[in-house]
This record gives sequence, structure tokens and C-alpha cells, in this order.
Amino acid sequence: GDSVTQMEGPVTLSEEAFLTINCTYTATGYPSLFWYVQYPGEGLQLLLKATKADDKGSNKGFEATYRKETTSFHLEKGSVQVSDSAVYFCALSGGPNSGYALNFGKGTSLLVTP
Amino acid sequence: NAGVTQTPKFQVLKTGQSMTLQCAQDMNHEYMSWYRQDPGMGLRLIHYSVGAGITDQGEVPNGYNVSRSTTEDFPLRLLSAAPSQTSVYFCASSYKAGNTIYFGEGSWLTVV
Repeated sequence: GDSVTQMEGPVTLSEEAFLTINCTYTATGYPSLFWYVQYPGEGLQLLLKATKADDKGSNKGFEATYRKETTSFHLEKGSVQVSDSAVYFCALSGGPNSGYALNFGKGTSLLVTP
Repeated sequence: NAGVTQTPKFQVLKTGQSMTLQCAQDMNHEYMSWYRQDPGMGLRLIHYSVGAGITDQGEVPNGYNVSRSTTEDFPLRLLSAAPSQTSVYFCASSYKAGNTIYFGEGSWLTVV
């Protein structure tokens, strides 16, 4: 079945460092791909998305490119801030057989220190 | 623009009690769903609805009931709470099934 694998954390970076969080997927067909972010004590917020191969999603300095050849959707940011500390989830869209559920990775916790 | 609104945000129940988690959206979304989030398990789909009057089971439906009498509301009912239902519950919606999903802020439920 469909699945998402993302790098395990926690990831600790200094402010202004470069961020990469790896995400790979297994899916039949061509799902849409998403990154969601969850700040402490809050719900999930959509960070960015890509709906087809070679699409690049971007938001708030984060970006990710839908790579069909490597089945990847890695999240990157050139210069992280303390306020980026959160848990990041990679997800792919499910079809009717799964109730259109999002299939999430287990999440990667990011801590950015001053 | 309220988006997806869940109430209550925090709740403590005793084993065997029943309760309803409320979810409302003001975006005229057809698709609504409930997830639970547990450590090490990620988010799992409980129930979903593709429109008013239509509901179906997700991955972990046991112990929960839903109804969708209006487009806006999608309440989740715990029939007889068990400690295994201690979790964070998220309501989510999208314009149509398969479109981008937007989440509420979550409801933290503890069953003692």
C-alpha cells in the first residue's frame, strides 16, 4: 500500500542554518504531496503542496519539489529561524479506497537554537 | 474567516462516559473527516464524509459514531469512552474529496 517515510528526528540546528528534511514515498498512481507543520500545542497547518511531477511547492521560505524519478519530496529552507521549531509531516493524498485519507509520515521534530 | 472549528479543546472523561466532539467549517466544504493522533502511530483516519447525509468508516472507526446532517457540521461521538481513546483528535475538511485538506486546531481528550 501507499506509504511515506521521512527522516527521524529530532533535528537540532542553529539559527540561519540550512534545513533539509528527507521524505520519500511509495504509491500507486500519482498522488498529491504535502508538507504540514505542527507547532507545540497546536493543530496541523498546511505548509506547502505539489500536485504533479516536477512541481515545486513553496511557502514562508520553505520549498519542496515533487520528484517522480526518485519518489521524493524533500523539504528545504535556506536559513531557519527559532520560530521554525515545530514538527514537520510529509503526507500523500489517498484515493477513494482509503477514504481520501492523507497518508502521513511519522513526523520530524525540528529545534532551532539561537 | 474561521476555517475548521473544533470544540472542546481539552476534555477529561471517565471510562464509560459518552461525549461528542464538535466540528464545524464555514468554507462550504463537501468533504469532512476525523483523525486521531497518537505518539508513534501518526495520524489515522476514524470516519469521513463526502457530503451531507453520507458517512463512511476510516482506518480506526471502532468506538466512534458520526453523522452529517448539514454541510457545515460533522460531530464525532464517543459511545462509551475507554482509556485507549486517550488521544488528540483532529477534524479536517476539503472542498471536495481528494482536494487539499485543512485541519482544525485539535481536541485533547484524556480518558481515565
